[in-house]
Amino acid sequence: ETGVTQSPTHLIKTRGQQVTLRCSSQSGHNTVSWYQQALGQGPQFIFQYYREEENGRGNFPPRFSGLQFPNYSSELNVNALELDDSALYLCASSQVGSVRDTQYFGPGTRLTVL
Amino acid sequence: DQQVKQNSPSLSVQEGRISILNCDYTNSMFDYFLWYKKYPAEGPTFLISISSIKDKNEDGRFTVFLNKSAKHLSLHIVPSQPGDSAVYFCAASPLNTGKLIFGQGTTLQVKP
Repeated sequence: ETGVTQSPTHLIKTRGQQVTLRCSSQSGHNTVSWYQQALGQGPQFIFQYYREEENGRGNFPPRFSGLQFPNYSSELNVNALELDDSALYLCASSQVGSVRDTQYFGPGTRLTVL
Repeated sequence: DQQVKQNSPSLSVQEGRISILNCDYTNSMFDYFLWYKKYPAEGPTFLISISSIKDKNEDGRFTVFLNKSAKHLSLHIVPSQPGDSAVYFCAASPLNTGKLIFGQGTTLQVKP
């Protein structure tokens, strides 16, 4: 069984640029959620995708957007990067209909905005 | 507005003793609770969960207790081992949503 994978591991961007982060869900999972974890804080929910559609969104502006593909992998896109977007971005996958909302996380992508 | 709070930033315990990590929440709509463990440079690892219809769930050395009237849950680790040293996050899920709301985390150090 393959776990959740994310790419890239680290990324450095400058303010105003755009970034795309990628996630492959655990085999057998059909739902992907994205979280932002700032230093010293717990992860904050960005949004969730199920059946290629957004299925819930946290308190993040529209410049945070996502996609889910037919193979259940997902992308997180952030436009017009700001310094405060520097964080660890975590992807989690789960299976709708299985144990309620148990989400399994990938290792994360560390984004630094200069 | 922090809906899930872990008021102890850190905890130090001797190997073999019990570790008790605490978590408080404010939203009555939370119906599912989870604990995750996180090592540096890794994503959170799922440990144990509990539904709001239960007050206790046990898995090996890990037990989670839920007190709905006090809006409080705790994670007990017995016996504690040095490999348990990590940051522990509690998380809650509101009814009919897929999102998890996390606390700030508690750093557990288990001393040999």
